[in-house]
Amino acid sequence: EAGVAQSPRYKIIEKRQSVAFWCNPISGHATLYWYQQILGQGPKLLIQFQNNGVVDDSQLPKDRFSAERLKGVDSTLKIQPAKLEDSAVYLCASSYGDTQYFGPGTRLTVL
Amino acid sequence: AQSVTQLDSHVSVSEGTPVLLRCNYSSSYSPSLFWYVQHPNKGLQLLLKYTSAATLVKGINGFEAEFKKSETSFHLTKPSAHMSDAAEYFCVVSEGRGFQKLVFGTGTRLLVSP
Repeated sequence: EAGVAQSPRYKIIEKRQSVAFWCNPISGHATLYWYQQILGQGPKLLIQFQNNGVVDDSQLPKDRFSAERLKGVDSTLKIQPAKLEDSAVYLCASSYGDTQYFGPGTRLTVL
Repeated sequence: AQSVTQLDSHVSVSEGTPVLLRCNYSSSYSPSLFWYVQHPNKGLQLLLKYTSAATLVKGINGFEAEFKKSETSFHLTKPSAHMSDAAEYFCVVSEGRGFQKLVFGTGTRLLVSP
């Protein structure tokens, strides 16, 4: 069974630029999550989708972050404009039942 | 709100000796608890989970954890460390029912020396 796929794996941008990350969940998983993991910290949930509807986006900085999950499968997370403090690993996860499966993450560096 | 506290940011052991990674949780409900491992440049991998069944939970790679409600603890153990166990370990509590929200601890880095 293929795991959660994410791209790109690494991204370096300058502040005020925009960036987008892509996630393809495990086939059949209705729930998809985006997490932000800042160096030295545990992952923090940004947004949770159930199919193509948003379940929880309470910790998403909506003035600069957006996410969508068209057709209830793939998802994209966008940051516009990026700030220095957005440097982190962005993790995508999907679940069926009570277990979440994580992708390898995208490491974002904002200069 | 639910939370977890990982009591050690770093734990160092020698290969072949026991591993103990400590975790305490705070929860208003009967929690679901997890341990995840993160190897460098790799995704988070589930080691084991507790979801109100047996209090002693066995996971992959010889790890196990015991849920102790009276102590609000969920410590991770392994009888004999292997070099490949060196990684970051996260204790996680699930918040809510149905649509699951995970709350992660700050992590414990396990160092294994020969």
